[in-house]
Amino acid sequence: SQQGEEDPQALSIQEGENATMNCSYKTSINNLQWYRQNSGRGLVHLILIRSNEREKHSGRLRVTLDTSKKSSSLLITASRAADTASYFCATPYYGGSQGNLIFGKGTKLSVKP
Amino acid sequence: GAVVSQHPSRVICKSGTSVKIECRSLDFQATTMFWYRQFPKQSLMLMATSNEGSKATYEQGVEKDKFLINHASLTLSTLTVTSAHPEDSSFYICSARDRTQPQHFGDGTRLSIL
Repeated sequence: SQQGEEDPQALSIQEGENATMNCSYKTSINNLQWYRQNSGRGLVHLILIRSNEREKHSGRLRVTLDTSKKSSSLLITASRAADTASYFCATPYYGGSQGNLIFGKGTKLSVKP
Repeated sequence: GAVVSQHPSRVICKSGTSVKIECRSLDFQATTMFWYRQFPKQSLMLMATSNEGSKATYEQGVEKDKFLINHASLTLSTLTVTSAHPEDSSFYICSARDRTQPQHFGDGTRLSIL
């Protein structure tokens, strides 16, 4: 069954605005990762947050993790047209030892100039 | 940062042919490589996991004889789609990691079978 589920499925904002995407998961995890995918390209790793962390920052990105609610959010501040992409959360397979990840369905972000 | 090169980026071929896709880690030794399939506007679905020098572990529903995976070295894994048919048309993405890093992805291969 799908582990990660993002919402919204699609988000359209103006340049300069903030974009917030949410991810929910079902099983216990030791970390959660966010990836970006530009159209027709591979995925780029953005940030990893461990289960004992509640918030993590990387540049204009802010990720939160609430293990009690089994949810995470990705905030992109002061968005730019170049941020237009699909964003996926990913969690390790339950019991997986090889780093296998389960990806959510993704949020398609469109930032209009 | 770590770089994974995937080749070719696009393939168009006739039904019945076999297609090989290469995935190379350029600046690190990939102890594990993954192969994913992505349908339009959908998420990535893991097809198989391969460790260097051992047989790949396939996910449920993925045909081993259809999708041949070889991980001959710590920097190269190949996926061969044998006797490809139009339903095999998709976007295939590889990723690689060593024990210390998150997965690094190739740019994908768009396979179109006519």
